[in-house]
Amino acid sequence: NAGVTQTPKFQVLKTGQSMTLQCAQDMNHNSMYWYRQDPGMGLRLIYYSASEGTTDKGEVPNGYNVSRLNKREFSLRLESAAPSQTSVYFCASSPASSGKETQYFGPGTRLLVL
Amino acid sequence: AQTVTQSQPEMSVQEAETVTLSCTYDTSENNYYLFWYKQPPSRQMILVIRQEAYKQQNATENRFSVNFQKAAKSFSLKISDSQLGDTAMYFCAFMKLNNNDMRFGAGTRLTVKP
Repeated sequence: NAGVTQTPKFQVLKTGQSMTLQCAQDMNHNSMYWYRQDPGMGLRLIYYSASEGTTDKGEVPNGYNVSRLNKREFSLRLESAAPSQTSVYFCASSPASSGKETQYFGPGTRLLVL
Repeated sequence: AQTVTQSQPEMSVQEAETVTLSCTYDTSENNYYLFWYKQPPSRQMILVIRQEAYKQQNATENRFSVNFQKAAKSFSLKISDSQLGDTAMYFCAFMKLNNNDMRFGAGTRLTVKP
């Protein structure tokens, strides 16, 4: 039981490049989330998926797209990376669709955009 | 919009002593959830404790307890018998009922000194 896994752990991009961050959970959770964490700030929600086949915007969705590929996997895509997207990205999952349950976090992906 | 404020950017405590971390929040909701998450140097986000606003009794988890003051919109975390492994960033978080958008404070960096 690995919980929530994220790949890659670290990535360097040049401005304008694209990439997809992968997230998978093996806990049969309904909800999945993508957050970003910037220095001196708490986590901010980018997008979430309350159930397979649905996605919704969070607090800071601009510049990102997501795909809930199946119940296990939730990917985050940067179509044209910008230096402002340099951050640590966390994926999380929770059992319920409503978000009331505890969220379980992955180890994070550190992204540097030059 | 809900906001979460942690007014103590850094704190330190001697091993075996007790420390209290502060958190205030702003909301017009009557029912909601409050959380404390721990982020050690590994960056993994770990749930410490959770409080449901409709429960008057303060939540406790072993050495961790909260002082939930709903009228004052205050949610402080008390760590008793501090251990070196408690050294981490601590984030307070708020979530409305039946909503997936969790809002985090900026965090408090706690150092436990031997």
